[in-house]
Amino acid sequence: NAGVMQNPRHLVRRRGQEARLRCSPMKGHSHVYWYRQLPEEGLKFMVYLQKENIIDESGMPKERFSAEFPKEGPSILRIQQVVRGDSAAYFCASSPPLRPYNEQFFGPGTRLTVL
Amino acid sequence: KNEVEQSPQNLTAQEGEFITINCSYSVGISALHWLQQHPGGGIVSLFMLSSGKKKHGRLIATINIQEKHSSLHITASHPRDSAVYICAVLRDSNYQLIWGAGTKLIIKP
Repeated sequence: NAGVMQNPRHLVRRRGQEARLRCSPMKGHSHVYWYRQLPEEGLKFMVYLQKENIIDESGMPKERFSAEFPKEGPSILRIQQVVRGDSAAYFCASSPPLRPYNEQFFGPGTRLTVL
Repeated sequence: KNEVEQSPQNLTAQEGEFITINCSYSVGISALHWLQQHPGGGIVSLFMLSSGKKKHGRLIATINIQEKHSSLHITASHPRDSAVYICAVLRDSNYQLIWGAGTKLIIKP
């Protein structure tokens, strides 16, 4: 059973470009969470999704950021018109269905660098 | 005041020493995670507990719900234990993890 997979592991973008980060949850998991870790800071919750539904996006910046978790395929975190302040590590976690308070399993993260 | 406080922030010890990292929280929780993060690396979940004590190899985690406090212990520490250890609490009736700032542990050979 493969763990949570994220790609790419490292992503470099210039200011104004778009960044797409992908997360494939563990097999059988239908709950996905995205977290952001700014340099020298702790992790912060961004968004919680179930298949085809955004449950809570209270941690997402109001502009330029969006997330989806389609019926088929990975969850995508999309950042439009990136700025230097978006440089961070973005972690995805997943948990099984029916028990969203269950332990969350984390992916290796995507390190985004905005030049 | 942060909802999750960890201490110490930094800890340097010699190989073989017994290590304790503390976590205090101020909110109602359904469970508490201890996680490990290596420099530039991913996050590994070590324990999730809601009461009592759990042990895995040289790692022991305890939680006291009444006192809103948890500890992570490492016995016979080794340089490969060097990492940042993070406490995160799962709020009551919620799914959000509230993260501590982490404890940076360095074990010297």
